Order: sequence, then C-alpha cells, then structure tokens
Amino acid sequence: SQQGEEDPQALSIQEGENATMNCSYKTSINNLQWYRQNSGRGLVHLILIRSNEREKHSGRLRVTLDTSKKSSSLLITASRAADTASYFCATLATGGGNKLTFGTGTQLKVEL
Amino acid sequence: GAVVSQHPSRVICKSGTSVKIECRSLDFQATTMFWYRQFPKQSLMLMATSNEGSKATYEQGVEKDKFLINHASLTLSTLTVTSAHPEDSSFYICSVGRTANNEQFFGPGTRLTVL
Repeated sequence: SQQGEEDPQALSIQEGENATMNCSYKTSINNLQWYRQNSGRGLVHLILIRSNEREKHSGRLRVTLDTSKKSSSLLITASRAADTASYFCATLATGGGNKLTFGTGTQLKVEL
Repeated sequence: GAVVSQHPSRVICKSGTSVKIECRSLDFQATTMFWYRQFPKQSLMLMATSNEGSKATYEQGVEKDKFLINHASLTLSTLTVTSAHPEDSSFYICSVGRTANNEQFFGPGTRLTVL
C-alpha cells in the first residue's frame, strides 16, 4: 500500500514556538499513531488516536484526526531544542491485520 | 511499553558476505516482530513480519531468499542479509507490537554499510 504523506517535509522554528505537522493517508483506518525518531535511532511511540476519536492530548502534544479528510495533525506546543527530531505518522488499516504504514515524515528543527 | 534491543548497532562488511542482525524483546514475549528498512531521510518500509515458530511474511518486492528471517523463540528474531551488496546499505529496525492497537516498540536500529 502507498505510504501516507506528511507536510511539511522540514520545519524550522524557534524555541518556545508551536510546531504543527500534518499527515494524510489513503485507506480506512483503525487508528493513527505518531512516532518520533532522533537521528540514527529507533522510533519512540508518542501518541495513538483511534478512528472514533477527534482529538487527543498528551503533555505538550495535541493530535487531531479527521477521518472524512483522511488527515491528522500533530501540534507540539512551547517547543524545546530537545524536540528536534523526525516525526512520523503511522496508520493501522481497518482489516489490515497488525501492520503499520508509515508516512514520509517531518524533520523538525528547534533552534535556541 | 516494551524494551527491544538490536545487535549489532553498526556493521561494515564487504560485498558478497552475509550479515546477521539480532532483535531481542527483553521484557515481553513477542509472537510477532516486524523488520523495517530505512534509507537516509526517508520513511520506514516494512520488509517482513516475523512470526515465532513459523515462516515470516514478506512484503511485496522483498526477496525472502535475500533477507532471511528466523524467529526461533519468543524473545529473538534474526534478519540475515545474504550476499550483501552496496545497495543493501541501509538502517534496519525491528519492532514489537504489544497491544491490540499494535502500538509498536522499536529497537535502536542497525546501520549496515556494504563496501
């Protein structure tokens, strides 16, 4: 299956600002997950939103999901230099077993 | 969550040799593990789903004879890149899916460089 797309591909902001990343996907989903990857490392699970949910919060993270538009957004508020990383959305398709399909990712750079 | 380790973290080998990468689930018995590869600044591509005690399920376009997967126990899956070539150079990452939502927990990855 095709991967989802994320935009922007790269984002550079100042510390303290908010960062918003968007993800679009193509299939009907069971849930959508956001992951973070520091350079040269494995991925860390950030947050999961189910298909029947519209918004979810976890600390400085806010995720929205619009299944009619097949899109999701990840908002990081009051960003810190330590938030610099790549962020990926991943979808678990309805009836797709246990496989995740990852988006293309957004590289976030938070500058001091 | 789950703690997943990979070994080695980096490997450099000559073209034509075979390389084995281990993925261990340290605190969870995983009947299923996933193997991904990632090219620089790109996303993760699922290569195969490793099933304990049975054959792996490969994604379309992934050569099963090239990328041998063995999942002999509930805590260990191995990926062997056979007769490696420079185009196999990549970042290989494994993961364990622990919950019904398939929230996945990733290993730290293995950087393979084939000269």
